[in-house]
Amino acid sequence: GEDVEQSLFLSVREGDSSVINCTYTDSSSTYLYWYKQEPGAGLQLLTYIFSNMDMKQDQRLTVLLNKKDKHLSLRIADTQTGDSAIYFCAENGGYNKLIFGAGTRLAVHP
Amino acid sequence: DAGVIQSPRHEVTEMGQEVTLRCKPISGHDYLFWYRQTMMRGLELLIYFNNNVPIDDSGMPEDRFSAKMPNASFSTLKIQPSEPRDSAVYFCASGASPGQQFFGPGTRLTVL
Repeated sequence: GEDVEQSLFLSVREGDSSVINCTYTDSSSTYLYWYKQEPGAGLQLLTYIFSNMDMKQDQRLTVLLNKKDKHLSLRIADTQTGDSAIYFCAENGGYNKLIFGAGTRLAVHP
Repeated sequence: DAGVIQSPRHEVTEMGQEVTLRCKPISGHDYLFWYRQTMMRGLELLIYFNNNVPIDDSGMPEDRFSAKMPNASFSTLKIQPSEPRDSAVYFCASGASPGQQFFGPGTRLTVL
Protein backbone atom coordinates (compact mmCIF):
# COMPACT_ATOMS: atom_id res chain seq x y z
CA GLY A 1 0.00 0.00 0.00
CA GLU A 2 0.91 3.64 -0.10
CA ASP A 3 2.63 5.14 2.88
CA VAL A 4 4.88 8.11 3.40
CA GLU A 5 6.74 8.40 6.70
CA GLN A 6 8.54 11.32 8.26
CA SER A 7 9.89 12.14 11.67
CA LEU A 8 7.58 14.56 13.46
CA PHE A 9 9.97 17.14 14.90
CA LEU A 10 13.32 18.73 14.15
CA SER A 11 15.00 21.50 16.10
CA VAL A 12 18.01 23.37 14.72
CA ARG A 13 20.04 26.43 15.55
CA GLU A 14 19.79 29.46 13.29
CA GLY A 15 22.52 29.35 10.65
CA ASP A 16 22.93 25.58 10.78
CA SER A 17 21.74 23.18 8.09
CA SER A 18 18.47 21.30 8.51
CA VAL A 19 17.90 17.85 7.05
CA ILE A 20 14.38 16.50 6.89
CA ASN A 21 14.00 12.86 5.94
CA CYS A 22 11.18 10.90 4.35
CA THR A 23 10.59 7.33 3.24
CA TYR A 24 7.95 6.27 0.77
CA THR A 25 6.69 2.92 -0.44
CA ASP A 26 5.48 3.22 -4.02
CA SER A 27 8.36 2.74 -6.44
CA SER A 28 6.14 3.78 -9.35
CA SER A 29 6.05 7.39 -8.15
CA THR A 30 7.10 9.61 -11.00
CA TYR A 31 7.71 12.70 -8.92
CA LEU A 32 8.35 13.35 -5.24
CA TYR A 33 7.48 16.63 -3.62
CA TRP A 34 8.22 18.83 -0.65
CA TYR A 35 5.53 21.18 0.58
CA LYS A 36 5.83 23.79 3.34
CA GLN A 37 3.04 24.92 5.67
CA GLU A 38 3.46 28.08 7.69
CA PRO A 39 1.21 28.73 10.71
CA GLY A 40 -2.38 29.53 9.74
CA ALA A 41 -1.80 28.96 6.04
CA GLY A 42 -2.28 26.29 3.43
CA LEU A 43 0.51 24.14 2.04
CA GLN A 44 2.88 25.65 -0.48
CA LEU A 45 4.90 23.68 -3.01
CA LEU A 46 8.56 24.13 -2.16
CA THR A 47 10.30 21.89 -4.64
CA TYR A 48 10.01 18.54 -6.38
CA ILE A 49 12.28 15.97 -7.98
CA PHE A 50 11.76 13.64 -10.90
CA SER A 51 12.26 10.01 -9.99
CA ASN A 52 15.15 9.48 -12.42
CA MET A 53 17.20 12.16 -10.68
CA ASP A 54 19.19 11.69 -7.51
CA MET A 55 19.73 15.32 -6.59
CA LYS A 56 18.21 18.71 -7.20
CA GLN A 57 19.49 22.02 -5.87
CA ASP A 58 17.51 25.24 -5.69
CA GLN A 59 19.24 28.07 -3.82
CA ARG A 60 19.35 27.02 -0.16
CA LEU A 61 17.40 23.84 -0.80
CA THR A 62 18.90 20.48 -1.79
CA VAL A 63 16.76 17.44 -2.45
CA LEU A 64 18.39 14.02 -2.40
CA LEU A 65 16.63 10.92 -3.69
CA ASN A 66 17.74 7.34 -3.07
CA LYS A 67 15.33 5.38 -5.20
CA LYS A 68 16.75 2.02 -4.18
CA ASP A 69 15.97 2.69 -0.51
CA LYS A 70 12.89 4.83 -1.30
CA HIS A 71 14.39 7.64 0.77
CA LEU A 72 13.98 11.33 0.14
CA SER A 73 15.59 14.18 2.03
CA LEU A 74 15.37 17.95 2.06
CA ARG A 75 18.38 19.93 3.19
CA ILE A 76 17.99 23.61 4.04
CA ALA A 77 21.30 25.45 4.21
CA ASP A 78 21.80 28.40 6.57
CA THR A 79 18.45 27.82 8.26
CA GLN A 80 16.63 31.02 9.25
CA THR A 81 13.79 31.67 11.68
CA GLY A 82 11.53 32.20 8.68
CA ASP A 83 12.08 28.55 7.78
CA SER A 84 10.16 27.47 10.88
CA ALA A 85 7.17 25.59 9.50
CA ILE A 86 5.82 22.10 8.88
CA TYR A 87 7.39 20.31 5.92
CA PHE A 88 5.45 17.63 4.09
CA CYS A 89 6.90 14.98 1.85
CA ALA A 90 4.54 13.64 -0.86
CA GLU A 91 4.51 11.07 -3.61
CA ASN A 92 2.08 10.65 -6.45
CA GLY A 93 2.36 6.85 -6.52
CA GLY A 94 1.20 6.67 -10.13
CA TYR A 95 -2.16 8.17 -9.26
CA ASN A 96 -3.55 11.59 -10.05
CA LYS A 97 -3.35 12.59 -6.43
CA LEU A 98 -0.68 13.05 -3.80
CA ILE A 99 0.02 10.88 -0.78
CA PHE A 100 1.33 13.13 1.97
CA GLY A 101 3.40 12.25 4.99
CA ALA A 102 2.38 13.44 8.45
CA GLY A 103 4.72 16.42 8.23
CA THR A 104 7.90 17.38 10.08
CA ARG A 105 7.70 20.42 12.31
CA LEU A 106 10.93 22.40 12.02
CA ALA A 107 11.76 24.73 14.90
CA VAL A 108 14.64 27.17 14.42
CA HIS A 109 16.11 28.69 17.57
CA PRO A 110 18.73 31.39 18.03
CA ASP B 1 -4.05 35.93 -9.98
CA ALA B 2 -5.62 35.96 -6.52
CA GLY B 3 -4.82 32.33 -5.88
CA VAL B 4 -7.30 29.79 -4.57
CA ILE B 5 -10.12 31.53 -2.74
CA GLN B 6 -12.03 29.86 0.07
CA SER B 7 -15.00 31.09 2.04
CA PRO B 8 -15.80 31.45 4.78
CA ARG B 9 -12.41 31.61 6.52
CA HIS B 10 -13.97 30.69 9.83
CA GLU B 11 -17.25 28.96 10.58
CA VAL B 12 -18.75 28.20 13.96
CA THR B 13 -21.94 26.21 13.98
CA GLU B 14 -23.96 23.96 16.21
CA MET B 15 -24.21 20.22 15.93
CA GLY B 16 -26.88 19.17 13.45
CA GLN B 17 -26.63 22.27 11.28
CA GLU B 18 -25.74 22.20 7.60
CA VAL B 19 -22.36 23.65 6.66
CA THR B 20 -21.30 24.69 3.16
CA LEU B 21 -17.69 25.48 2.33
CA ARG B 22 -16.84 27.21 -0.92
CA CYS B 23 -13.84 27.24 -3.19
CA LYS B 24 -12.82 29.17 -6.27
CA PRO B 25 -9.83 27.51 -7.95
CA ILE B 26 -7.17 29.24 -9.99
CA SER B 27 -8.38 29.85 -13.51
CA GLY B 28 -7.14 27.23 -15.98
CA HIS B 29 -6.47 24.55 -13.39
CA ASP B 30 -8.09 21.23 -14.29
CA TYR B 31 -7.70 19.57 -10.89
CA LEU B 32 -9.44 20.50 -7.66
CA PHE B 33 -8.85 18.80 -4.31
CA TRP B 34 -10.60 19.01 -0.94
CA TYR B 35 -8.53 18.17 2.16
CA ARG B 36 -9.21 18.10 5.88
CA GLN B 37 -6.50 18.73 8.47
CA THR B 38 -6.63 17.92 12.18
CA MET B 39 -4.01 17.40 14.83
CA MET B 40 -5.11 13.82 15.34
CA ARG B 41 -5.42 12.64 11.75
CA GLY B 42 -3.12 15.04 9.91
CA LEU B 43 -3.90 15.96 6.30
CA GLU B 44 -6.55 13.81 4.63
CA LEU B 45 -7.66 13.93 1.01
CA LEU B 46 -11.45 13.89 0.93
CA ILE B 47 -12.22 14.08 -2.80
CA TYR B 48 -10.75 15.37 -6.02
CA PHE B 49 -12.15 16.50 -9.36
CA ASN B 50 -10.66 16.53 -12.83
CA ASN B 51 -12.38 18.79 -15.36
CA ASN B 52 -15.29 19.20 -12.94
CA VAL B 53 -15.86 15.44 -12.66
CA PRO B 54 -15.38 13.71 -9.28
CA ILE B 55 -12.63 11.12 -9.73
CA ASP B 56 -11.93 9.74 -6.28
CA ASP B 57 -14.20 10.29 -3.28
CA SER B 58 -12.84 7.40 -1.22
CA GLY B 59 -11.69 9.82 1.45
CA MET B 60 -15.13 11.24 2.15
CA PRO B 61 -15.85 10.13 5.72
CA GLU B 62 -19.51 9.24 5.34
CA ASP B 63 -22.74 10.15 3.64
CA ARG B 64 -23.01 13.36 5.62
CA PHE B 65 -20.30 14.78 3.37
CA SER B 66 -20.92 15.73 -0.25
CA ALA B 67 -18.99 17.79 -2.79
CA LYS B 68 -19.93 19.35 -6.09
CA MET B 69 -18.21 21.20 -8.87
CA PRO B 70 -20.90 22.69 -11.11
CA ASN B 71 -18.38 24.56 -13.24
CA ALA B 72 -14.66 25.12 -13.61
CA SER B 73 -14.61 28.11 -11.29
CA PHE B 74 -16.55 26.90 -8.27
CA SER B 75 -16.79 23.97 -5.89
CA THR B 76 -18.62 23.31 -2.64
CA LEU B 77 -18.15 20.87 0.21
CA LYS B 78 -21.28 20.32 2.26
CA ILE B 79 -21.68 18.63 5.63
CA GLN B 80 -25.22 17.78 6.66
CA PRO B 81 -25.79 17.27 9.54
CA SER B 82 -22.56 18.49 11.10
CA GLU B 83 -21.04 16.85 14.19
CA PRO B 84 -18.36 18.04 16.65
CA ARG B 85 -15.87 15.52 15.21
CA ASP B 86 -16.06 17.37 11.88
CA SER B 87 -14.21 20.30 13.47
CA ALA B 88 -11.06 20.79 11.41
CA VAL B 89 -9.40 23.05 8.87
CA TYR B 90 -10.68 22.30 5.38
CA PHE B 91 -8.42 23.14 2.47
CA CYS B 92 -9.21 23.43 -1.20
CA ALA B 93 -6.33 23.10 -3.67
CA SER B 94 -6.16 23.36 -7.43
CA GLY B 95 -3.53 22.51 -10.00
CA ALA B 96 -2.81 22.16 -13.69
CA SER B 97 -1.29 18.82 -12.72
CA PRO B 98 -2.01 16.58 -9.73
CA GLY B 99 1.39 17.05 -8.14
CA GLN B 100 1.80 20.81 -8.26
CA GLN B 101 -1.10 21.93 -6.14
CA PHE B 102 -1.89 25.43 -4.98
CA PHE B 103 -3.65 25.51 -1.65
CA GLY B 104 -6.18 28.03 -0.44
CA PRO B 105 -5.95 29.61 3.01
CA GLY B 106 -8.40 27.09 4.47
CA THR B 107 -11.70 27.26 6.33
CA ARG B 108 -11.51 26.65 10.06
CA LEU B 109 -14.72 24.84 11.04
CA THR B 110 -15.83 24.51 14.64
CA VAL B 111 -18.91 22.44 15.39
CA LEU B 112 -20.20 22.93 18.92
